[in-house]
Amino acid sequence: QVQLQESGPGLVKPSETLSLTCTVSGDSITSSYWSWIRQPPGKEPEWIGYIYYSGITSYNPSLWGRVTISVDRSKNQFSLKLSSVTAADTAVYYCTRNNGYYIDWGQGTLVTVSS
Amino acid sequence: EIVLTQSPGTLSLSPGERATLSCRASQSVTSNYLAWYQQKPGQPPRLLIYGASRRATGIPDRLSGSGSGTDFTLTISSLEPEDFAVYYCQQYGNSPLTFGQGTKLEIK
Repeated sequence: QVQLQESGPGLVKPSETLSLTCTVSGDSITSSYWSWIRQPPGKEPEWIGYIYYSGITSYNPSLWGRVTISVDRSKNQFSLKLSSVTAADTAVYYCTRNNGYYIDWGQGTLVTVSS
Repeated sequence: EIVLTQSPGTLSLSPGERATLSCRASQSVTSNYLAWYQQKPGQPPRLLIYGASRRATGIPDRLSGSGSGTDFTLTISSLEPEDFAVYYCQQYGNSPLTFGQGTKLEIK
């Protein structure tokens, strides 16, 4: 069974860049599409974007210009960078394996944007 | 962007009762690409249903999904204690992929 684990700083300052990495175990990263989802406290999840191992990406237009998702096949990892963060970017960030719908999820990591 | 509206916001029922959760889309969902998730506090969402009516691996048959076009339903035929949680619908037929605002199923 696929396992996903998010890692990265839990606190980011306003205007800086949020950086997270997802380590995939139990399957090759070449096997599927991979996404980042975030969920602000008390709200519904929000799709950030996805990547295929070949490097094909798609992003939520609401975050256009601020988000980059990349993949490292050698480490079986994929990463998220979100620039110019504000308090509105405070959320639990999940990495997922997806086929349109989200099949497997990491446990999530809370990222707080605050000075 | 397709907006998904779930109703009711909160549903209060007792174990053994039948639960009916609704998800309405602002426009037709392509190929009925509609999924349902269950989320408990401190946990990630768990996939229940995809393709509007297909149960994910390990999901009991007391949970069922139905609907097409703009109106979709998740039905739990007889509630078990572990079913009390928040439920989200999500469409993946059109970009951006979007979620509904959720229905909280609570014990009466």
